Amino acid sequence: GENVEQHPSTLSVQEGDSAVIKCTYSDSASNYFPWYKQELGKGPQLIIDIRSNVGEKKDQRIAVTLNKTAKHFSLHITETQPEDSAVYFCAASYTGGFKTIFGAGTRLFVKA
Amino acid sequence: GAVVSQHPSRVICKSGTSVKIECRSLDFQATTMFWYRQFPKQSLMLMATSNEGSKATYEQGVEKDKFLINHASLTLSTLTVTSAHPEDSSFYICSAPLTSGGAGETQYFGPGTRLLVL
Repeated sequence: GENVEQHPSTLSVQEGDSAVIKCTYSDSASNYFPWYKQELGKGPQLIIDIRSNVGEKKDQRIAVTLNKTAKHFSLHITETQPEDSAVYFCAASYTGGFKTIFGAGTRLFVKA
Repeated sequence: GAVVSQHPSRVICKSGTSVKIECRSLDFQATTMFWYRQFPKQSLMLMATSNEGSKATYEQGVEKDKFLINHASLTLSTLTVTSAHPEDSSFYICSAPLTSGGAGETQYFGPGTRLLVL
């Protein structure tokens, strides 16, 4: 079945450094790739998304890249801040599909 | 962005009782909503898809008689955990797509409900 693999499971960076989280998906029909940030005790919040007709998207310190051929997509956070510390989930789905498949999550720690 | 609310945010109940969790889309209509369960330090596990005006679709291994879902209006879905037991303790989260496209559209999540069954 459909699967989304996410790496690393834990990531620790120094404040100001960059953080990169990578995901791969198995369903070639996937065309929508959102990223969510979940803080402790809260629901996931959408932070950025990308559709398959675009290779890269940026929003201030956050960027996402997509390689459809390799079925890879990545989240890049630059100039990390302590408030970026959270669990990040990648996901994949397709228009008209019935499920969003989530990665296992990456716990990001930003050390001040 | 779209707002999804959940109520209650946390609930403690005795074993054997039933608990109802509400999920509301506050500023948009949702013909479909999704219910997830999340264990500590784990990812989101889809339990069921709630469909307005029709029966919910449950994922494999999820007992439909245990987790009753009702989607009576375009802005409200409810999850009732019947005869709750300690193993049902978990964080329950709902989501709704902003448009009617289902899973291929942006999902907006509620804040979650933490259930503790004693």
